[in-house]
Amino acid sequence: NAGVTQTPKFQVLKTGQSMTLQCAQDMNHEYMSWYRQDPGMGLRLIHYSVGAGITDQGEVPNGYNVSRSTTEDFPLRLLSAAPSQTSVYFCASSLGQGGQPQHFGDGTRLSIL
Amino acid sequence: GESVGLHLPTLSVQEGDNSIINCAYSNSASDYFIWYKQESGKGPQFIIDIRSNMDKRQGQRVTVLLNKTVKHLSLQIAATQPGDSAVYFCAESMPSGTYKYIFGTGTRLKVLA
Repeated sequence: NAGVTQTPKFQVLKTGQSMTLQCAQDMNHEYMSWYRQDPGMGLRLIHYSVGAGITDQGEVPNGYNVSRSTTEDFPLRLLSAAPSQTSVYFCASSLGQGGQPQHFGDGTRLSIL
Repeated sequence: GESVGLHLPTLSVQEGDNSIINCAYSNSASDYFIWYKQESGKGPQFIIDIRSNMDKRQGQRVTVLLNKTVKHLSLQIAATQPGDSAVYFCAESMPSGTYKYIFGTGTRLKVLA
């Protein structure tokens, strides 16, 4: 059972480039979310999804898009990368809406030059 | 190493001693709390959770205490081992239906041999 799988593990981009961070889970979880983790700050929610075809914005959604065409996959797209988006990105999934532990992937470390 | 840990408070504990890590949560309406462990280069790993109708919950070598009066959460690790060295942070969840988790910034636990 792989859990939550994120790819790539590392990425370097130039300002203005676009890319997609992949996230897949094999636990049949309805709820998936994307966070960014920056030094000295707690995880901040970017976007989340409560099921296939349903997404919503989190705390810091600007500059990012998501889609949820299947239960398993929840990709995060950076539309035009900026240095402020340099961060570690984590995808998480959970069985229920609140009151359930989230299971995290090992992250994508993204640097924008 | 994990850049996210640069500004974190550090708790140094002798191997075999008990560790106590504290967390102050922000919202009196939060009804579910989680402790996570994050090792360098890895995603957060679920340790133990507790609901607001409980004061204490025990797992294997870990105990979580919840004091709702002062909005305080603690994680106790018995007989601390070198493998316990990591960053630990708490998360709080609002009542079901909101899918909002607030994450603390964390404490770095160093186990001294």
